[in-house]
Amino acid sequence: GESVGLHLPTLSVQEGDNSIINCAYSNSASDYFIWYKQESGKGPQFIIDIRSNMDKRQGQRVTVLLNKTVKHLSLQIAATQPGDSAVYFCAENIGDRGSQGNLIFGKGTKLSVKP
Amino acid sequence: ETGVTQSPTHLIKTRGQQVTLRCSSQSGHNTVSWYQQALGQGPQFIFQYYREEENGRGNFPPRFSGLQFPNYSSELNVNALELDDSALYLCASSLLAGEQFFGPGTRLTVL
Repeated sequence: GESVGLHLPTLSVQEGDNSIINCAYSNSASDYFIWYKQESGKGPQFIIDIRSNMDKRQGQRVTVLLNKTVKHLSLQIAATQPGDSAVYFCAENIGDRGSQGNLIFGKGTKLSVKP
Repeated sequence: ETGVTQSPTHLIKTRGQQVTLRCSSQSGHNTVSWYQQALGQGPQFIFQYYREEENGRGNFPPRFSGLQFPNYSSELNVNALELDDSALYLCASSLLAGEQFFGPGTRLTVL
């Protein structure tokens, strides 16, 4: 079946270091991927997205890389800060074109930033 | 913070009971999606409502049902509650094909 999963369930980094969170997906037909951040007691918050016709997209301190050959997605956070501590999910969109419904989420990686 | 609100924040029910969870979408959004998030897991898609009609459904039994109202707010109803229904229930509002904005969720505990 289709699935989105993560390689590392937990990640601990020093403040100021760069963080890399990885994600594998299995549905080669998926054409849209999103990274979410979820802090304790809150709903997921959109970080960055990427479409399958791209292999890299940059935001503010974040970069998403997509490798369609090996069906792998990564989120890079530059100069990680304590406020980045959260659980990070990748999500795959398998809805109809024109709909962003039916997001398939991975299990999540907990990022802990040490001061 | 998004403009999506959910009520109640916490709820305790017993097996076999029924529950209704509510979601107010962000102003201007016409689409609401519901997700179930078990502890330590990612959210799982339950269904989506667009302009008061169901617009897609995940792998959940019929005892999970929903409604969307003319003001685009939404309800999730779960009948015959089971222990495994204990989870955080998230709603997300959007424009169709737009970015989803999540509410803080309702924590449901089934005893």
